[in-house]
Order: sequence, then C-alpha cells, then structure tokens
Amino acid sequence: QKEVEQNSGPLSVPEGAIASLNCTYSDRGSQSFFWYRQYSGKSPELIMFIYSNGDKEDGRFTAQLNKASQYVSLLIRDSQPSDSATYLCAVSYSGGGADGLTFGKGTHLIIQP
Amino acid sequence: GAVVSQHPSWVICKSGTSVKIECRSLDFQATTMFWYRQFPKQSLMLMATSNEGSKATYEQGVEKDKFLINHASLTLSTLTVTSAHPEDSSFYICSARAPSGRETQYFGPGTRLLVL
Repeated sequence: QKEVEQNSGPLSVPEGAIASLNCTYSDRGSQSFFWYRQYSGKSPELIMFIYSNGDKEDGRFTAQLNKASQYVSLLIRDSQPSDSATYLCAVSYSGGGADGLTFGKGTHLIIQP
Repeated sequence: GAVVSQHPSWVICKSGTSVKIECRSLDFQATTMFWYRQFPKQSLMLMATSNEGSKATYEQGVEKDKFLINHASLTLSTLTVTSAHPEDSSFYICSARAPSGRETQYFGPGTRLLVL
C-alpha cells in the first residue's frame, strides 16, 4: 500500500518568514513528486514537481527531494497571507502525470500578518 | 493553456438517483483522465483512471458498477454515480494528463455532491 504522510498542522508562520512543509512516502519505487496547494472548497492547484534528488527552485518556492530518506519538502520564502492554504504532497509511481497520484492528507498552513 | 472544466459544480439529489459528472479538457486533448474523491478533512483518493476508447481502471475498493466512467472522446470523460446514497456525498475532482512533454496533471474545479 502506497502511503504519503504529512503533518496535518496547523503550521503557523509569521508573514515574511520561511514556511517549511514536509512529506514522507512509503513506496521506494516512486518516481515523481508534486506539491499542490488547495484552498478551502477548491480543487488542488500545482505548485511544483520534482523528480531528481536535490533542490528545485521556482520563485519563492523550493522543493527538496531525498529519495534515500524517502522525504520531500517544500520551502516557501517571504510567506504572504495569501499563501495560507492546505498544502498537499503527492507521489506518482511513474514519471510525470502518467499515473494517478497518491496524496497525503495535507498540511494546513496559516501565515500570520 | 491546459484548462480542465467540470460540470456541474454542485449537485443535490435524492437517495437512489443517478448523477452524471462531466470532465472536459478545454484546450488540449487528454487520452488519460483521472477521477478522485475527497471527503471532508481527508485527502484526495484516486478512484479510477479513464482512458479514451477503453475501459476505465478502478482502484481497489471502488465499485465499477456503481461509478460508471465513460471516456468517449479526447476531451470528455464522464463519471456517473448510480443509485447514489448519502455516503456517496463527497467532492469529486477530475484531472487530465497534460499534453505530451509536460509532466503533470491538471485538475478540474471539482463537483460537490450531496445526496439526501
């Protein structure tokens, strides 16, 4: 059974600080890793994907992947109140969007003005 | 680009009725679409993979005769919840595999189903 674990939070971070979100996964064969943001009552929107070990940066967001530790993280720099949402970590056994995604339960992030 | 729509966005029905939800890729062709379900305060759970022109593949524990999926064209997949019951009330979200060369799935806005 493929599992993706996240701390449900809430994680409270002051505006302008760095928010750090973590995720672990159980299936060593997982190939693709995604971070989605979900506002209450809305569907998920993609923030970033990462396939290789190391860091990947996109604007204020940095995804980090460590396959040996089966660990994925998302850093949000200069956090804004609009970043307040639930962040979902998702994993795929295959590359890209070829297979359905296994999601974690999400971390509720609150950015305090 | 890569916009996915769903219709309806909200549906309320009586127990025992069937409900059809449409998922459309508006500006690209999607040979593969996925259907997810999300209960309150839970994560998205993959229900089935919908492939154009062939039978859908269902995840373990999802009844294929209750959740009928039809992917008749490259831009449309439908999910029919047959004989819906209150426990089927949920947020149903579809996604479409991105066009070749793009490594992700794009999600529709979701359909909230309430069965009375």
